[in-house]
Amino acid sequence: EIVLTQSPGTLSLSPGERATLSCRASQSVNNNYLAWYQQKFGQAPRLLIYDASSRATGIPDRFSGSGSGTDFSLTISRLEPEDFAVYYCLQYGNLPIMFGQGTRLEIK
Amino acid sequence: EVQLVESGGGLVQPGGSLRLSCAASGFTFTNYWMHWVRQVPGKGLVWVSRISSDGNTINYADPVKGRFTISRDNAKNTLYLQMNSLRAEDTAMYYCVNLLLGWGQGTLVTVSS
Repeated sequence: EIVLTQSPGTLSLSPGERATLSCRASQSVNNNYLAWYQQKFGQAPRLLIYDASSRATGIPDRFSGSGSGTDFSLTISRLEPEDFAVYYCLQYGNLPIMFGQGTRLEIK
Repeated sequence: EVQLVESGGGLVQPGGSLRLSCAASGFTFTNYWMHWVRQVPGKGLVWVSRISSDGNTINYADPVKGRFTISRDNAKNTLYLQMNSLRAEDTAMYYCVNLLLGWGQGTLVTVSS
């Protein structure tokens, strides 16, 4: 199975700053089928990015995804107050489908 | 608007059974694979199972294999998860998921005596 390792575990930044979250896979993800989700406390996750770099419908363009093979990243260009949440990567190109352990983005 | 509405969660004793349902609307249900994902409160997301658009291809995570059964009724736009031989470690919020379109709000399953 593919293990996804997200780093850092917690990221402390201020509104207006740039955030870069990493997701590293133990093996190559088929077809770069890698997604990013945002989860706020008490809510279901929300899709941000799919197929490594395609922005989901309605997602602001400050969110971008990049990477291929085993190394992927999510960048938030200028943090807004509503962006502070937990972020998960997910690979859906190989079975079993696996999530990363999450990165908590907190206000500094 | 995509809507996924789960039901059927609750408190069950170890060894018991539950059947979760997910009513889908706002998209062409018959075109999409569907998934169940669970989350222990305060912990990470764990994929449980998936089913192809026509119901002919099904996969499970190892911890639930042989105990859980995923199915769908495309005429009713509904996804199901039959959970048997439940264990304490199955306690979690269960989400019905279309990976590319959206998630339901979840239904809580608690396995306890």
